[in-house]
Amino acid sequence: DGGITQSPKYLFRKEGQNVTLSCEQNLNHDAMYWYRQDPGQGLRLIYYSQIVNDFQKGDIAEGYSVSREKKESFPLTVTSAQKNPTAFYLCASSAAGTGGSYEQYFGPGTRLTVT
Amino acid sequence: DAKTTQPNSMESNEEEPVHLPCNHSTISGTDYIHWYRQLPSQGPEYVIHGLTSNVNNRMASLAIAEDRKSSTLILHRATLRDAAVYYCILSAYNFNKFYFGSGTKLNVKP
Repeated sequence: DGGITQSPKYLFRKEGQNVTLSCEQNLNHDAMYWYRQDPGQGLRLIYYSQIVNDFQKGDIAEGYSVSREKKESFPLTVTSAQKNPTAFYLCASSAAGTGGSYEQYFGPGTRLTVT
Repeated sequence: DAKTTQPNSMESNEEEPVHLPCNHSTISGTDYIHWYRQLPSQGPEYVIHGLTSNVNNRMASLAIAEDRKSSTLILHRATLRDAAVYYCILSAYNFNKFYFGSGTKLNVKP
């Protein structure tokens, strides 16, 4: 089955620790995205990547870092510099990063809780 | 950045049509209009998208105003499984970047 996998589904960390969220896709998509969702809110873009070895900051990149070494993978690291890391994190991919008309496919999400 | 405005919540009866409105008065000529829906604790699911003309698919219809400043998602016969938060999203032509609003929570009554 083609799709996007995110692991783990739930993640608990102590304040001050960095944590890496996994995102893998087997859809052969060039573009990948990371979003954050807070309770009752819409999604906000953290980082996006149009192609391997390239990525750009989204609207709320502070305190986060990413890498795109393989087409299939786009891991997100939540660093200790992120002031409010507790949130629902969603990864997505699309066939292309330009054109505006491409459907984004979303993973099931990772719920991160930092105490 | 272009933004969308949607009602916070709407209610419908099962098997009746539902019209979900969206205002996007600052839309540019090349922005696409997408609709996604999201169940609690799940990733959003694609519903439909369009540019200028009305669009139909097996899930829904999208009616786009002639001036493109508003659009309406139409679910022809709501079912209990259609209860979700519906997002109206604009994506810029220069990049497939989505701008999410806070969405409309649709409640479907049996």
